[in-house]
Amino acid sequence: SQQGEEDPQALSIQEGENATMNCSYKTSINNLQWYRQNSGRGLVHLILIRSNEREKHSGRLRVTLDTSKKSSSLLITASRAADTASYFCATGTNSGGSNYKLTFGKGTLLTVNP
Amino acid sequence: DTEVTQTPKHLVMGMTNKKSLKCEQHMGHRAMYWYKQKAKKPPELMFVYSYEKLSINESVPSRFSPECPNSSLLNLHLHALQPEDSALYLCASSQDFGGSSTDTQYFGPGTRLTVL
Repeated sequence: SQQGEEDPQALSIQEGENATMNCSYKTSINNLQWYRQNSGRGLVHLILIRSNEREKHSGRLRVTLDTSKKSSSLLITASRAADTASYFCATGTNSGGSNYKLTFGKGTLLTVNP
Repeated sequence: DTEVTQTPKHLVMGMTNKKSLKCEQHMGHRAMYWYKQKAKKPPELMFVYSYEKLSINESVPSRFSPECPNSSLLNLHLHALQPEDSALYLCASSQDFGGSSTDTQYFGPGTRLTVL
């Protein structure tokens, strides 16, 4: 079953605007990660936030994590056409013993129009 | 070097064929993964190898057979596939596999598989 659920499923904005994507999950996590995927290609890791962290920044990216609400958000500031891609949240969980798994949400398709 | 390479980039095979997908990393990572991704869907975990031993098999049909010859290589052997197995197959690696909260997975570009 899907652990992460992104919202919205699709987002279209103009270049220069900010883009916010949300992710909700159901069970306890070790960490939450955000990945980007350009059409039909491999995933690129963007940022990892641990379960005991509340906010993290990397360049134009800002990620928040609220474990009480089991939710995370990814903010991309001053968007560029090159940011057009699908964005996935992925929750890292232990399924018993040393079995650590990364479970991906359904993703948000971001389109940045020039 | 944070690169994971996968070959081939594209593969078309018939249902009676036997083929293999290959994945390689030289980052000294001890965990390697196979994911399957259907169009407009998220990646789904298939197998995990940790220190060259199979750690997780997500109830994948036996027509998919993984192999980890050494710590840098991961293969996925395919036999008697069905058209519904057509997908993007992604390989990934991470430094370790044991519940560390800092494990980032690095993905290859994938192999686009079409089963006729």
